[in-house]
Amino acid sequence: GQQLNQSPQSMFIQEGEDVSMNCTSSSIFNTWLWYKQDPGEGPVLLIALYKAGELTSNGRLTAQFGITRKDSFLNISASIPSDVGIYFCSTYSIQGAQKLVFGQGTRLTINP
Amino acid sequence: KAGVTQTPRYLIKTRGQQVTLSCSPISGHRSVSWYQQTPGQGLQFLFEYFSETQRNKGNFPGRFSGRQFSNSRSEMNVSTLELGDSALYLCASSALAGKNTGELFFGEGSRLTVL
Repeated sequence: GQQLNQSPQSMFIQEGEDVSMNCTSSSIFNTWLWYKQDPGEGPVLLIALYKAGELTSNGRLTAQFGITRKDSFLNISASIPSDVGIYFCSTYSIQGAQKLVFGQGTRLTINP
Repeated sequence: KAGVTQTPRYLIKTRGQQVTLSCSPISGHRSVSWYQQTPGQGLQFLFEYFSETQRNKGNFPGRFSGRQFSNSRSEMNVSTLELGDSALYLCASSALAGKNTGELFFGEGSRLTVL
């Protein structure tokens, strides 16, 4: 089946540092989505990418849809304490259905 | 605009029991999907409903079932609970079923513990 390999699994950084994480697959996708899950909450969509090569920003977050359509990257600049949480990459498994498959997540911890 | 509401937020059951979880989507959303989240398996798709019809189903045993009502509210049921069913069950709603828009809005989840 489709598997999304997300790395790193966890990150421990200092406040103010930049963060980079990525998601790869052996399959080609038409959509890449990045969600963030805060403790005790459901995932919230951060950025959606629909075109190979697309680079999209949402405040301090920037995500890119890889040219090969098999990968995506998420960067966070100048991290702050509220960036703590789990970040998931995801995409659609089946065309015409709202079935998302998710990476295993990157748990971000920030030391003040 | 109210978000996706899931009830109950927390519950504890014992093996062999059954459980029903409820989800009220965002007003106007007609598509509801359910996901199971565990530390070992991550987020796994359970099923999707649109206009009271199940459109797609994940790879879960028949003990997991669901339904959607005419007001778009959805319930999922797990019968004959097993220890491995302990998880956070997330409901997500969308306005545009059948289109990969990325706009899934998740509830806070129902955390089920099976003893």
